[in-house]
Amino acid sequence: GAGVSQTPSNKVTEKGKYVELRCDPISGHTALYWYRQSLGQGPEFLIYFQGTGAADDSGLPNDRFFAVRPEGSVSTLKIQRTERGDSAVYLCASSFGQGAYEQYFGPGTRLTVT
Amino acid sequence: GENVEQHPSTLSVQEGDSAVIKCTYSDSASNYFPWYKQELGKRPQLIIDIRSNVGEKKDQRIAVTLNKTAKHFSLHITETQPEDSAVYFCAATGGYQKVTFGTGTKLQVIP
Repeated sequence: GAGVSQTPSNKVTEKGKYVELRCDPISGHTALYWYRQSLGQGPEFLIYFQGTGAADDSGLPNDRFFAVRPEGSVSTLKIQRTERGDSAVYLCASSFGQGAYEQYFGPGTRLTVT
Repeated sequence: GENVEQHPSTLSVQEGDSAVIKCTYSDSASNYFPWYKQELGKRPQLIIDIRSNVGEKKDQRIAVTLNKTAKHFSLHITETQPEDSAVYFCAATGGYQKVTFGTGTKLQVIP
């Protein structure tokens, strides 16, 4: 079946603007993760959803970042008042569910804040 | 929280030689340790994983070992090929499946 998809693939925005990044997990996967990857670094955990609820949002850097998954499938990562330091690749991953650990990553959204 | 350290940051080997990448973790509750390969501009892809109840796992040219007492695990690639060149990340997964990644090892296999 189809893998994890993310849109847009690239997003350029001006400092101070609001952006939304979308993730479509693999059908049937109940667990969904957001990561941020800066150049030369490993993916940095942001938030984990089990179904519709955020089971762990301890990685969100501040209150400008928010994520939702209202129907337990598609998720949107929202960033308010973007800053140049938010520039990175935002990766989404999904897995079958709690206890099934293998995560499948999407291609990422490259966010550039000018 | 969990802290994962990975060494070396870069590794060059001759084609056909072996490559070893080592990671340590801090949280004794971590129980799942995946390794990902990431080629330039592409998404991370799982290449092998190990759970805490196993000491070693092998899949063709790739093997992973885990020492829970010492809190370290290693990736071994034998008979390296140019297509093995990429960045490799180790990771540790603890409670609620929160995954902490290492900083990556850039592997270059020289033909």
